Amino acid sequence: ILNVEQSPQSLHVQEGDSTNFTCSFPSSNFYALHWYRWETAKSPEALFVMTLNGDEKKKGRISATLNTKEGYSYLYIKGSQPEDSATYLCAFMKGSNYQLIWGAGTKLIIKP
Amino acid sequence: EAQVTQNPRYLITVTGKKLTVTCSQNMNHEYMSWYRQDPGLGLRQIYYSMNVEVTDKGDVPEGYKVSRKEKRNFPLILESPSPNQTSLYFCASSDRVSETQYFGPGTRLLVL
Repeated sequence: ILNVEQSPQSLHVQEGDSTNFTCSFPSSNFYALHWYRWETAKSPEALFVMTLNGDEKKKGRISATLNTKEGYSYLYIKGSQPEDSATYLCAFMKGSNYQLIWGAGTKLIIKP
Repeated sequence: EAQVTQNPRYLITVTGKKLTVTCSQNMNHEYMSWYRQDPGLGLRQIYYSMNVEVTDKGDVPEGYKVSRKEKRNFPLILESPSPNQTSLYFCASSDRVSETQYFGPGTRLLVL
């Protein structure tokens, strides 16, 4: 079984501060890396899908980078706001069969 | 409105009583997937389908069946549910394998 690891497991950040967290995945058999945002009592919502080594994607105050050779992706949030509080999930898609393997998520709590 | 629908949203049943959770998408998506979410474990893929009549096992397929007779529908069948299948289930779809996934609202299942 392939492992996708996310760290930290949870994170408390003061409103206005910037933060980042990590997704580690197997460096072989890579097809794509997904990031999703999941608020309590809702369904996960897509942030990014990244496919190329060195990819950088941005959506408002949230951005992500990808290193497929060493098997990690970073998600950055600039100037955290209370509405950023959520669990952030990453998922690794295997190239051999397009199966998605998910990390357990990083729970972000923004303190006003 | 583009959406993924699941029914039922909540279900309480007893061990051994066959049940089906329906999933339907109106976006003409090719890739569909079923997940279960358990506390501390994140999302785990049960089955996925790349297109009509094409289904593959995910990480935790035991005790589940799926079918993909039409592009829009991807039902999840529990032939003989057991208490360890008590979970929150999500269906998701995407236009292509590498695209972001759209999630349904979730089905909370309790097997007594």
